[in-house]
Amino acid sequence: AQSVTQLGSHVSVSEGALVLLRCNYSSSVPPYLFWYVQYPNQGLQLLLKYTSAATLVKGINGFEAEFKKSETSFHLTKPSAHMSDAAEYFCAVSDYQASNTGKLIFGQGTTLQVKP
Amino acid sequence: EAGVTQFPSHSVIEKGQTVTLRCDPISGHDNLYWYRRVMGKEIKFLLHFVKESKQDESGMPNNRFLAERTGGTYSTLKVQPAELEDSGVYFCASSIGWGRPGGGDNEQFFGPGTRLTVL
Repeated sequence: AQSVTQLGSHVSVSEGALVLLRCNYSSSVPPYLFWYVQYPNQGLQLLLKYTSAATLVKGINGFEAEFKKSETSFHLTKPSAHMSDAAEYFCAVSDYQASNTGKLIFGQGTTLQVKP
Repeated sequence: EAGVTQFPSHSVIEKGQTVTLRCDPISGHDNLYWYRRVMGKEIKFLLHFVKESKQDESGMPNNRFLAERTGGTYSTLKVQPAELEDSGVYFCASSIGWGRPGGGDNEQFFGPGTRLTVL
């Protein structure tokens, strides 16, 4: 069965500092991996996705993530945090190859706080 | 292009009452998903439609939950009777569908969610 673990339910960084949100996955088949962000009172917005092409994936708002098969990781990074990055971030794996559903399996979510 | 919409945005009901949540997917999207997030827990899959057919309802908690997708367009999720543990945020998502241009990775587009509170 596929699963996702996000290390750290809350991460706090100073404005301008590096953002690192950790995600590890478990999958018996090559995974499709996604990072979503939820701003207050909004729905989930796709930040970036890995679908077996380039292992370093660039997304919106300056975020990027690197797929590391040997470490079963897909950590999200941003070189310099902005106040507007404060939100909850979700890592998810799709079971598209394990079934014909393509449902997403989510991690627990990480709330990012950005301090001035 | 309009995104996924959900109605209502909030619902507060008494235990034992019935509530119906509605989701309008992006026009032309064959796949429609329902997910739920109970407070403090991860977002969990409930069920998946392909057009009007239920493809996978393995995540539905019990038979108090009934989902429909009329004519392959909008979908409703009815909870009857509601229990306290049904409180949470219900998300709907849609995707184009495999085999169609742009549908290869099944990117899902999410609605804003419906926050359900059962008292």
